[in-house]
Amino acid sequence: NAGVTQTPKFQVLKTGQSMTLQCAQDMNHNSMYWYRQDPGMGLRLIYYSASEGTTDKGEVPNGYNVSRLNKREFSLRLESAAPSQTSVYFCASSPLAGGIGEQFFGPGTRLTVL
Amino acid sequence: AQSVTQLDSHVSVSEGTPVLLRCNYSSSYSPSLFWYVQHPNKGLQLLLKYTSAATLVKGINGFEAEFKKSETSFHLTKPSAHMSDAAEYFCVVSTGDSWGKLQFGAGTQVVVTP
Repeated sequence: NAGVTQTPKFQVLKTGQSMTLQCAQDMNHNSMYWYRQDPGMGLRLIYYSASEGTTDKGEVPNGYNVSRLNKREFSLRLESAAPSQTSVYFCASSPLAGGIGEQFFGPGTRLTVL
Repeated sequence: AQSVTQLDSHVSVSEGTPVLLRCNYSSSYSPSLFWYVQHPNKGLQLLLKYTSAATLVKGINGFEAEFKKSETSFHLTKPSAHMSDAAEYFCVVSTGDSWGKLQFGAGTQVVVTP
């Protein structure tokens, strides 16, 4: 049982390049989330998926797109990377029992955009 | 809207002395509250959660937190700090929607000195 896995662990991009961050969970959770973490700002929600086939915007969605490929996988895409997207990205999942949102986090992807 | 305020961005303690991390919340309903810990270059791990049962919540590694509705607080404590407690700690509130979204505080960095 690996929990939540993310790839890659590290990535360096040039401004304007695109990339996809991958996330998978093996806990049969319904809900999945993408966050970014910046110093002094905690974690901010980018997008979430309440169930397979649905996605919704979070607090900071601009510049990102997501795909809920199946129940296990939830990817985050940067179409044209900008230096402001330099951050650590975390994927999380939740069993969503009655809306009480305990979440389980992956190890993160550290992204630098030059 | 739900929010949390962590009152200290940095806390420095000596090994063996008590740890107190302060968190105030704002919520229009009876919230679910969490404390997560993040060790350097790692993902987030759940320390403990409050979900309207007992107001004194015990978590992992000797941590506990007390929910005080009259003070809208959810402070985290540990009687005796260990070197391994050096990490960043996040106070988190559930937004109360049906999709388990969470609102994170800005974090408190804990330094433990020998």
